[in-house]
Amino acid sequence: QSVLTQPPSVSGAPGQRVTVSCTGSSSNIGAGYDVHWYQQLPGAAPKLLIYGNSNRPSGVPDRFSGSRSGTSASLAITGLQADDEADYYCQSYDSSLSGFYVFGTGTKVTVL
Amino acid sequence: QLQLQESGPGLVKPSETLSLTCTVSGVSISTSSYYWGWIRQPPGKGLEWIGNVYYSGSTYYTPSLQSRVTVSVDTSKNEFSLMLTSVTAADTALYFCAGGIGLFMDVWGKGTTVSVSS
Repeated sequence: QSVLTQPPSVSGAPGQRVTVSCTGSSSNIGAGYDVHWYQQLPGAAPKLLIYGNSNRPSGVPDRFSGSRSGTSASLAITGLQADDEADYYCQSYDSSLSGFYVFGTGTKVTVL
Repeated sequence: QLQLQESGPGLVKPSETLSLTCTVSGVSISTSSYYWGWIRQPPGKGLEWIGNVYYSGSTYYTPSLQSRVTVSVDTSKNEFSLMLTSVTAADTALYFCAGGIGLFMDVWGKGTTVSVSS
């Protein structure tokens, strides 16, 4: 099972702001390891959305932002759009026996 | 532009070995500082990291699969591979290859579906 916990689903109306949380522990996020976020559109491969807690790769709109604090991290989507409807996963490094890379449980974002 | 493409059988029998290859284009595996890895996604479920290989050949595996998995790199073909032995139905998944310079994956293949069934 994943060591990073996310809410199964979040939803919002077009134009609204939604946040997705990612809760870890002292062996991953709490140890200071960076958190990264991926967006997986239906039927597609994951795409890097945020790296190093709050950095956006080229081409990712600034409507997407990330932050990390303590043993948790958050992804915020402002100005929610219909094509933001997707699954979102956080990912970090874990220094325990859980593995080199660990993914979150995933969150389905639904645009109402 | 860096691109990845998975290939391999879509059907594997229980107890046999699953073998997949990821062909890398747009960059040389032997000279880049990329980590190359495999991630899988069982039907209707989340992402599970399987293992990584560094361009130098160093490997890292998820503990739950470590006894059955091998990730290797073939610099002459500019590709890396996954072998998973003694497969069961629980290994049925969409398998992605991916690469990244930091401790994240910034390029992904489209994925290939592998079913384990007799």
